[in-house]
Amino acid sequence: GENVEQHPSTLSVQEGDSAVIKCTYSDSASNYFPWYKQELGKRPQLIIDIRSNVGEKKDQRIAVTLNKTAKHFSLHITETQPEDSAVYFCAANPGGSYIPTFGRGTSLIVHP
Amino acid sequence: DADVTQTPRNRITKTGKRIMLECSQTKGHDRMYWYRQDPGLGLRLIYYSFDVKDINKGEISDGYSVSRQAQAKFSLSLESAIPNQTALYFCATSGSDRSPQETQYFGPGTRLLVL
Repeated sequence: GENVEQHPSTLSVQEGDSAVIKCTYSDSASNYFPWYKQELGKRPQLIIDIRSNVGEKKDQRIAVTLNKTAKHFSLHITETQPEDSAVYFCAANPGGSYIPTFGRGTSLIVHP
Repeated sequence: DADVTQTPRNRITKTGKRIMLECSQTKGHDRMYWYRQDPGLGLRLIYYSFDVKDINKGEISDGYSVSRQAQAKFSLSLESAIPNQTALYFCATSGSDRSPQETQYFGPGTRLLVL
């Protein structure tokens, strides 16, 4: 089955800095890679996703990049703000599967 | 997302007790899932169901059972609760016509403490 590794487990940055979270996956058949944000005490919610036929996708301050050859994908947050503080989960769906495999999560702390 | 609800939101029980966590959705999605979240371990799949007659085990199904009573309802039971089942439990759905079919929509979670 699919295995997703996520690093780092904790990331602390100053407001205005950039943050990068990286995930690797094992199943070359995976073709859908979502990122979920979970604020303290809240439910995870999708913030951005990418399919394997695209190398990069942006949405305002967040972007996701995908390297299929190396089997890794990354979340980039620019100009971080305190409200970006949360736990971020990456996931990978093998082609045709509706069962995601999640990474263990990254706790992002943005200091004012 | 208010369209996926879970009851109860918090529950304290004792070892050996049987408890049921309930999930309802008004999104019209066919696929429903139960996850547990533990610090540092992420979201692990317990069971999933792709329609009313379909039930499948996830990676950590031991000690749990489920029931899909209707398209909109998916319940998780702990037959005999034990302390290491203390965790945050999430129900989720997928199958939207307006977003990727794979996108998961989570309920608010149920925080369970087994004493």
